[in-house]
Amino acid sequence: EVQLVESGGGLAQPGVSLRLSCAASGFAFSSYSMNWVRQAPGKGLEWVSSIGGGGSSKYYADSVKGRFTISRDNAKNSLYLQMNSLRGEDTAVYYCARSIDYWGQGTLVTVSS
Amino acid sequence: QAGLTQPPSVSKGLGQTATLTCTGNSNNVGNQGAAWLQQHQGHPPKLLSYRNNNRPSGISERLSASRSGNTASLTITGLQPEDEADYYCSAWDSSLSAWVFGGGTKLTVL
Repeated sequence: EVQLVESGGGLAQPGVSLRLSCAASGFAFSSYSMNWVRQAPGKGLEWVSSIGGGGSSKYYADSVKGRFTISRDNAKNSLYLQMNSLRGEDTAVYYCARSIDYWGQGTLVTVSS
Repeated sequence: QAGLTQPPSVSKGLGQTATLTCTGNSNNVGNQGAAWLQQHQGHPPKLLSYRNNNRPSGISERLSASRSGNTASLTITGLQPEDEADYYCSAWDSSLSAWVFGGGTKLTVL
């Protein structure tokens, strides 16, 4: 059974950093591209970043480019999102997704002073 | 990045058929087709269909997806109360090197 479990969310002040993690199980992790997708309160889904199975191909939404960094550790079946210079508009539930087919439960990031 | 276009809301009666649409361009929907996701309040999205009409196991046969040019459609027949949810389309945009999402359609079953 495919499982994706996000962690690392919480309350953060504007300008600080936060690192999200996603623990994957139940599939050959290194064979799949992975995504981070976020959803602001009451809003729709917004793609944040993608990483290829090998970890070398990385893509970012314009809204986070230069501030967020996606990475993965295939030995640990884990996906990460380093979020720097956080802004109020980054407040959202952050989902880890295997490509587009399996999604975690999400972790809430709230950016507020 | 520009997103895909979905109607904000659709309302249909119990047992009726609803067709949800998603319009993109030749770099996304028109290129690789669209995925459809269902999201109930307070829950993560769930994949219903990918690359137009490939349904994951366990997804009801009452759902079918199709594409015509740059527009993808999701048809749900015999509407049930549990079909009431938000529906999102998504596609990889080869020009932007980005996933793009529609704004979502709220389906109400009357």
